Amino acid sequence: QVQLQESGPGLVKPSQTLSLTCTVSGASISSGGYYWNWIRQPAGKGLEWIGRVYTTGRTNNNPSLKSRVNISVDTSKNQFSLRLSSVTAADTAVYYCARELVVVVAATVSFYMDVWGKGTTVTVSS
Amino acid sequence: SYELTQPPSVYVSPGQTASITCSGDKMGDKFASWYQQKPGQSPMLVIYQNNKRPSGIPERFSGSNSGNTATLTISGTQALDEADYYCQAWDSSTDVVFGGGTKLTVL
Repeated sequence: QVQLQESGPGLVKPSQTLSLTCTVSGASISSGGYYWNWIRQPAGKGLEWIGRVYTTGRTNNNPSLKSRVNISVDTSKNQFSLRLSSVTAADTAVYYCARELVVVVAATVSFYMDVWGKGTTVTVSS
Repeated sequence: SYELTQPPSVYVSPGQTASITCSGDKMGDKFASWYQQKPGQSPMLVIYQNNKRPSGIPERFSGSNSGNTATLTISGTQALDEADYYCQAWDSSTDVVFGGGTKLTVL
């Protein structure tokens, strides 16, 4: 059974960099076939996709966050990480990591997240 | 950028059928996924590729997608189905996009 667990500081000061790690258990990131994602959710609001990383280190990010986001993978530790720079109060949210499957059916691409971590709350405040 | 629109709330009586819509430009040309999120929990995949159910998801959950609208249907709705539901799709301009979410109330 694949499980994902987020970890990192719960409090970050404005203008600093938010750093989170997702530890994967029950499966090997380096086995391929999946993408590894970060999603966030401000209190009482909807889900926002942040970005993904593949086992090779290739990444895709939300265009609205692109310049501030860095996602990396460490296959030796079976972990992937998120760094979000220059944070403000608007970055306060629950941050989730999730496993994503990408399937192509009749030239149409399906992206969906089948396993999610429990989430970790990050507050940006001085 | 691509956007998905969901009604903020849907109400259904126990045992009845609940339908939650997700609208976007040419949504029928894309694959829709649906997630259920209960208070204090992480989202859980209930439908992928428009109408497929992951293992363990009850048969009362079904999905469809055509035109500009994807629909999540819950037949014989139970009290435990009360939750927030989010649709999700992929677009070449925006990558992954989520709808704003729909709060399903069973009363």
